[in-house]
Amino acid sequence: AQTVTQSQPEMSVQEAETVTLSCTYDTSESNYYLFWYKQPPSRQMILVIRQEAYKQQNATENRFSVNFQKAAKSFSLKISDSQLGDTAMYFCAIPNTGNQFYFGTGTSLTVIP
Amino acid sequence: KAGVTQTPRYLIKTRGQQVTLSCSPISGHRSVSWYQQTPGQGLQFLFEYFSETQRNKGNFPGRFSGRQFSNSRSEMNVSTLELGDSALYLCASSSAGTRDSPLHFGNGTRLTVT
Repeated sequence: AQTVTQSQPEMSVQEAETVTLSCTYDTSESNYYLFWYKQPPSRQMILVIRQEAYKQQNATENRFSVNFQKAAKSFSLKISDSQLGDTAMYFCAIPNTGNQFYFGTGTSLTVIP
Repeated sequence: KAGVTQTPRYLIKTRGQQVTLSCSPISGHRSVSWYQQTPGQGLQFLFEYFSETQRNKGNFPGRFSGRQFSNSRSEMNVSTLELGDSALYLCASSSAGTRDSPLHFGNGTRLTVT
């Protein structure tokens, strides 16, 4: 089974600064996908970014990018130019072959004006 | 396209009662999954339906059941409610129902059992 670990329960960052959220995972599969989701206070989970494990290039979506270290099974999320709207819970997730997503316990990020 | 719609947004029930939650996926999405979110356990997978068939089930008691209709809409039922069933129930749909397809979540149903 897949496991996901997020070791930072809470983090804060000043507006316009950069912050990195950590995630490590374990899987026995050779080909897999990794996801970051955010859940703002409105509670709707929103996809932030997706990484395909067989791709060496780190995924990027505007101000969001990942640092994917396959050998270390690490999948961190970097948020550049942090904005107040980035305040949310962030979850790292990995699905198994049955499309069951395994989520980490989340990191609560607060952007300070 | 309209997003995933869950109804109702809030529910208050008494122990022993049963409850039905509804989810309408994004148009064209054939896979619907349900997750339970609690502060203590985080996000836990309940089950996944694809083309009206349950393909996968999490480690929840038989009191938790679901179904999917021909239009891909899904319902989740919890019978004989317990206090521990209080949670945010999230429905998610995906286009292909494969692990490379991102989940698109609804706003959730907040269930409180008293």
